[in-house]
Amino acid sequence: DGGITQSPKYLFRKEGQNVTLSCEQNLNHDAMYWYRQDPGQGLRLIYYSQIVNDFQKGDIAEGYSVSREKKESFPLTVTSAQKNPTAFYLCASSRTSGMTYNEQFFGPGTRLTVL
Amino acid sequence: GNSVTQMEGPVTLSEEAFLTINCTYTATGYPSLFWYVQYPGEGLQLLLKATKADDKGSNKGFEATYRKETTSFHLEKGSVQVSDSAVYFCAGDYNTDKLIFGTGTRLQVFP
Repeated sequence: DGGITQSPKYLFRKEGQNVTLSCEQNLNHDAMYWYRQDPGQGLRLIYYSQIVNDFQKGDIAEGYSVSREKKESFPLTVTSAQKNPTAFYLCASSRTSGMTYNEQFFGPGTRLTVL
Repeated sequence: GNSVTQMEGPVTLSEEAFLTINCTYTATGYPSLFWYVQYPGEGLQLLLKATKADDKGSNKGFEATYRKETTSFHLEKGSVQVSDSAVYFCAGDYNTDKLIFGTGTRLQVFP
Protein backbone atom coordinates (compact mmCIF):
# COMPACT_ATOMS: atom_id res chain seq x y z
CA ASP A 1 0.00 0.00 0.00
CA GLY A 2 1.21 3.46 -0.82
CA GLY A 3 1.54 5.94 1.97
CA ILE A 4 3.69 8.03 4.24
CA THR A 5 5.56 6.64 7.20
CA GLN A 6 7.03 8.58 10.06
CA SER A 7 9.31 7.21 12.69
CA PRO A 8 9.51 6.98 15.55
CA LYS A 9 5.97 7.53 16.82
CA TYR A 10 7.26 8.82 20.16
CA LEU A 11 10.63 10.46 20.71
CA PHE A 12 12.25 11.79 23.83
CA ARG A 13 15.17 14.15 23.80
CA LYS A 14 17.30 15.79 26.40
CA GLU A 15 17.77 19.52 26.24
CA GLY A 16 20.72 20.52 24.09
CA GLN A 17 20.53 17.49 21.82
CA ASN A 18 19.74 17.42 18.15
CA VAL A 19 17.22 14.84 16.99
CA THR A 20 16.14 13.72 13.52
CA LEU A 21 12.61 12.72 12.59
CA SER A 22 12.15 10.40 9.66
CA CYS A 23 9.58 10.78 6.88
CA GLU A 24 9.33 8.40 3.93
CA GLN A 25 6.73 8.23 1.16
CA ASN A 26 6.18 5.71 -1.62
CA LEU A 27 3.51 7.69 -3.43
CA ASN A 28 5.95 9.03 -6.01
CA HIS A 29 5.07 12.54 -4.88
CA ASP A 30 7.29 15.44 -5.78
CA ALA A 31 6.48 17.75 -2.88
CA MET A 32 6.94 17.09 0.82
CA TYR A 33 6.16 19.17 3.90
CA TRP A 34 6.83 19.33 7.63
CA TYR A 35 4.31 20.79 10.05
CA ARG A 36 4.33 21.39 13.75
CA GLN A 37 1.18 21.06 15.84
CA ASP A 38 0.92 22.21 19.45
CA PRO A 39 -1.92 21.11 21.77
CA GLY A 40 -5.19 22.66 20.72
CA GLN A 41 -3.51 24.48 17.86
CA GLY A 42 -3.60 24.32 14.11
CA LEU A 43 -0.74 23.34 11.82
CA ARG A 44 2.28 25.53 11.28
CA LEU A 45 4.55 24.94 8.30
CA ILE A 46 8.23 24.40 9.12
CA TYR A 47 9.84 23.50 5.77
CA TYR A 48 8.74 22.22 2.41
CA SER A 49 10.38 20.80 -0.66
CA GLN A 50 9.07 20.79 -4.19
CA ILE A 51 11.87 18.75 -5.77
CA VAL A 52 14.92 16.78 -4.78
CA ASN A 53 17.85 18.82 -3.51
CA ASP A 54 15.71 21.89 -2.97
CA PHE A 55 13.65 23.12 -0.04
CA GLN A 56 12.16 26.32 1.32
CA LYS A 57 11.52 27.72 4.76
CA GLY A 58 8.00 27.81 6.03
CA ASP A 59 6.56 30.02 8.72
CA ILE A 60 8.56 28.68 11.68
CA ALA A 61 11.86 27.35 10.28
CA GLU A 62 14.13 28.69 13.03
CA GLY A 63 15.79 25.89 14.99
CA TYR A 64 15.01 23.26 12.35
CA SER A 65 16.86 21.88 9.35
CA VAL A 66 15.93 19.50 6.53
CA SER A 67 17.45 17.68 3.59
CA ARG A 68 15.95 16.23 0.42
CA GLU A 69 18.53 13.92 -1.11
CA LYS A 70 15.96 11.43 -2.36
CA LYS A 71 12.46 11.90 -3.67
CA GLU A 72 11.08 9.46 -1.11
CA SER A 73 12.68 10.93 1.99
CA PHE A 74 12.48 14.27 3.80
CA PRO A 75 14.05 14.06 7.28
CA LEU A 76 13.64 16.87 9.76
CA THR A 77 16.31 17.71 12.33
CA VAL A 78 15.24 19.54 15.45
CA THR A 79 18.34 21.33 16.66
CA SER A 80 19.27 22.57 20.10
CA ALA A 81 18.54 26.07 18.83
CA GLN A 82 14.81 25.31 18.84
CA LYS A 83 13.70 26.76 22.15
CA ASN A 84 10.46 24.90 22.62
CA PRO A 85 10.59 21.70 20.55
CA THR A 86 8.01 19.63 22.43
CA ALA A 87 5.20 19.17 19.92
CA PHE A 88 3.52 16.81 17.47
CA TYR A 89 5.28 16.78 14.09
CA LEU A 90 3.46 15.89 10.92
CA CYS A 91 4.95 15.11 7.53
CA ALA A 92 2.92 15.37 4.33
CA SER A 93 3.39 14.95 0.62
CA SER A 94 1.60 15.94 -2.56
CA ARG A 95 1.91 15.22 -6.27
CA THR A 96 3.32 18.63 -6.84
CA SER A 97 2.99 22.12 -5.56
CA GLY A 98 2.18 25.32 -7.37
CA MET A 99 -0.80 23.73 -9.08
CA THR A 100 -4.47 23.76 -8.34
CA TYR A 101 -5.85 20.85 -6.39
CA ASN A 102 -2.81 20.32 -4.24
CA GLU A 103 -4.18 17.53 -2.05
CA GLN A 104 -1.74 16.65 0.69
CA PHE A 105 -1.39 13.21 2.25
CA PHE A 106 -0.25 13.02 5.85
CA GLY A 107 1.81 10.61 7.87
CA PRO A 108 0.78 9.42 11.36
CA GLY A 109 3.02 11.93 13.13
CA THR A 110 5.86 11.88 15.64
CA ARG A 111 5.37 13.18 19.15
CA LEU A 112 8.58 14.77 20.41
CA THR A 113 9.06 15.44 24.09
CA VAL A 114 12.03 17.27 25.51
CA LEU A 115 12.97 16.14 28.98
CA GLY B 1 -2.52 37.48 2.26
CA ASN B 2 -4.74 34.48 1.77
CA SER B 3 -6.43 32.95 4.77
CA VAL B 4 -8.94 30.33 5.80
CA THR B 5 -11.06 30.97 8.87
CA GLN B 6 -13.11 28.40 10.71
CA MET B 7 -15.32 28.54 13.74
CA GLU B 8 -13.90 28.14 17.21
CA GLY B 9 -14.53 24.93 19.03
CA PRO B 10 -15.25 22.77 20.71
CA VAL B 11 -18.53 21.89 19.12
CA THR B 12 -20.43 19.59 21.45
CA LEU B 13 -23.35 17.56 20.13
CA SER B 14 -25.47 14.62 21.05
CA GLU B 15 -25.45 11.58 18.82
CA GLU B 16 -27.71 11.92 15.75
CA ALA B 17 -27.66 15.73 15.92
CA PHE B 18 -27.05 17.89 12.85
CA LEU B 19 -23.54 19.24 12.43
CA THR B 20 -22.32 22.44 10.84
CA ILE B 21 -18.74 23.67 11.06
CA ASN B 22 -18.26 27.01 9.37
CA CYS B 23 -15.33 27.79 7.10
CA THR B 24 -14.72 30.91 5.04
CA TYR B 25 -11.86 31.76 2.73
CA THR B 26 -10.38 34.91 1.29
CA ALA B 27 -11.49 35.43 -2.26
CA THR B 28 -8.10 36.05 -3.86
CA GLY B 29 -8.34 33.86 -6.90
CA TYR B 30 -10.27 30.61 -6.85
CA PRO B 31 -8.71 28.19 -4.40
CA SER B 32 -9.35 24.49 -4.22
CA LEU B 33 -10.89 23.74 -0.83
CA PHE B 34 -10.49 20.79 1.48
CA TRP B 35 -11.74 19.41 4.76
CA TYR B 36 -9.35 17.23 6.72
CA VAL B 37 -10.12 15.21 9.85
CA GLN B 38 -7.68 14.36 12.64
CA TYR B 39 -8.50 11.62 15.14
CA PRO B 40 -6.68 11.70 18.50
CA GLY B 41 -2.98 10.98 18.21
CA GLU B 42 -3.08 10.56 14.44
CA GLY B 43 -2.20 12.48 11.30
CA LEU B 44 -4.71 14.28 9.12
CA GLN B 45 -6.91 12.45 6.66
CA LEU B 46 -8.58 14.08 3.70
CA LEU B 47 -12.33 14.03 4.26
CA LEU B 48 -13.59 15.79 1.15
CA LYS B 49 -12.65 18.37 -1.44
CA ALA B 50 -14.02 20.79 -4.02
CA THR B 51 -12.03 22.43 -6.77
CA LYS B 52 -14.41 25.07 -8.15
CA ALA B 53 -17.47 27.11 -7.32
CA ASP B 54 -20.72 25.17 -6.78
CA ASP B 55 -18.86 21.87 -6.43
CA LYS B 56 -20.08 19.71 -3.59
CA GLY B 57 -17.63 17.40 -1.86
CA SER B 58 -19.01 14.46 0.08
CA ASN B 59 -17.71 11.49 2.01
CA LYS B 60 -18.88 9.33 4.92
CA GLY B 61 -22.09 11.35 5.26
CA PHE B 62 -20.23 14.67 5.39
CA GLU B 63 -20.84 17.33 2.76
CA ALA B 64 -19.50 20.77 1.92
CA THR B 65 -20.41 23.06 -0.96
CA TYR B 66 -18.00 25.56 -2.48
CA ARG B 67 -19.96 28.83 -2.41
CA LYS B 68 -18.37 31.69 -4.26
CA GLU B 69 -21.00 34.28 -3.34
CA THR B 70 -20.40 33.82 0.40
CA THR B 71 -16.76 32.64 0.13
CA SER B 72 -17.69 29.67 2.30
CA PHE B 73 -17.13 25.93 2.48
CA HIS B 74 -19.13 24.86 5.51
CA LEU B 75 -18.96 21.24 6.63
CA GLU B 76 -22.27 19.52 7.36
CA LYS B 77 -23.50 16.13 8.46
CA GLY B 78 -27.10 15.22 9.04
CA SER B 79 -26.62 12.78 11.91
CA VAL B 80 -23.34 12.62 13.80
CA GLN B 81 -22.00 9.59 15.60
CA VAL B 82 -19.71 9.27 18.59
CA SER B 83 -17.04 8.01 16.20
CA ASP B 84 -17.08 11.39 14.41
CA SER B 85 -15.45 12.99 17.43
CA ALA B 86 -12.23 14.50 16.09
CA VAL B 87 -10.64 17.77 15.02
CA TYR B 88 -11.69 19.09 11.62
CA PHE B 89 -9.49 21.37 9.52
CA CYS B 90 -10.56 23.47 6.58
CA ALA B 91 -7.81 24.25 4.05
CA GLY B 92 -7.37 26.11 0.78
CA ASP B 93 -4.95 25.77 -2.10
CA TYR B 94 -4.41 29.13 -3.76
CA ASN B 95 -2.17 27.71 -6.47
CA THR B 96 0.94 28.45 -4.46
CA ASP B 97 3.50 26.19 -2.88
CA LYS B 98 1.47 25.30 0.18
CA LEU B 99 -1.96 24.78 1.66
CA ILE B 100 -3.49 27.38 3.94
CA PHE B 101 -5.05 25.69 6.98
CA GLY B 102 -7.67 26.96 9.36
CA THR B 103 -7.00 26.60 13.07
CA GLY B 104 -9.15 23.48 13.44
CA THR B 105 -12.46 22.82 15.16
CA ARG B 106 -12.81 20.11 17.77
CA LEU B 107 -16.05 18.12 17.59
CA GLN B 108 -17.22 16.14 20.61
CA VAL B 109 -20.19 13.84 20.18
CA PHE B 110 -21.81 12.29 23.23
CA PRO B 111 -24.12 9.25 23.29
